[in-house]
Amino acid sequence: GAGVSQSPSNKVTEKGKDVELRCDPISGHTALYWYRQSLGQGLEFLIYFQGNSAPDKSGLPSDRFSAERTGGSVSTLTIQRTQQEDSAVYLCASSFDASNRYTEAFFGQGTRLTVV
Amino acid sequence: DAKTTQPTSMDCAEGRAANLPCNHSTISGNEYVYWYRQIHSQGPQYIIHGLKNNETNEMASLIITEDRKSSTLILPHATLRDTAVYYCIVRVAGAGNKLTFGGGTRVLVKP
Repeated sequence: GAGVSQSPSNKVTEKGKDVELRCDPISGHTALYWYRQSLGQGLEFLIYFQGNSAPDKSGLPSDRFSAERTGGSVSTLTIQRTQQEDSAVYLCASSFDASNRYTEAFFGQGTRLTVV
Repeated sequence: DAKTTQPTSMDCAEGRAANLPCNHSTISGNEYVYWYRQIHSQGPQYIIHGLKNNETNEMASLIITEDRKSSTLILPHATLRDTAVYYCIVRVAGAGNKLTFGGGTRVLVKP
């Protein structure tokens, strides 16, 4: 596609339920990132993929959060047993190979998650 | 990654140049300065980056002081669509390109 696509754009879930958020990166981009942005807060890094592997998971806030990437393309961020503090906009970004030089990161529009 | 300091907010008149300062006094020799912006309800958008030379592209200019301890992003002719939060980020190139976003500067372009 023309840009990074995320789905759903909005998700309302009940506390304790599991949710899956999807990210389709730009074709050919090997690096993929997940961030979250709570209301009125800055962007918080969650995890970085290079291909299908995740060399940096340092931002995942708890073991309820996990992410995978298959085929070097689509990524899914899963939040188990959601809590109200998980409510935020979850943003995905992708870029070309980021192993040894800077490449511009392109962000999607985000998924707004509301836990009620 | 070196810490950056930006003003919390600033106003700018439409059609005038907007000069956004950023302090990064602890920057190291291999760290670049990057600028992104986030328009309301959208994901962040890359603007420009530089190491030590001034840079210019179709969106903006980046002026880095000779000692590299501060920089200024210049939007030459601000429009209402430039209203956004602007983030100055300092980090090394590569190594995953993880970006650490601070509070940024909330820029309001007024007619």
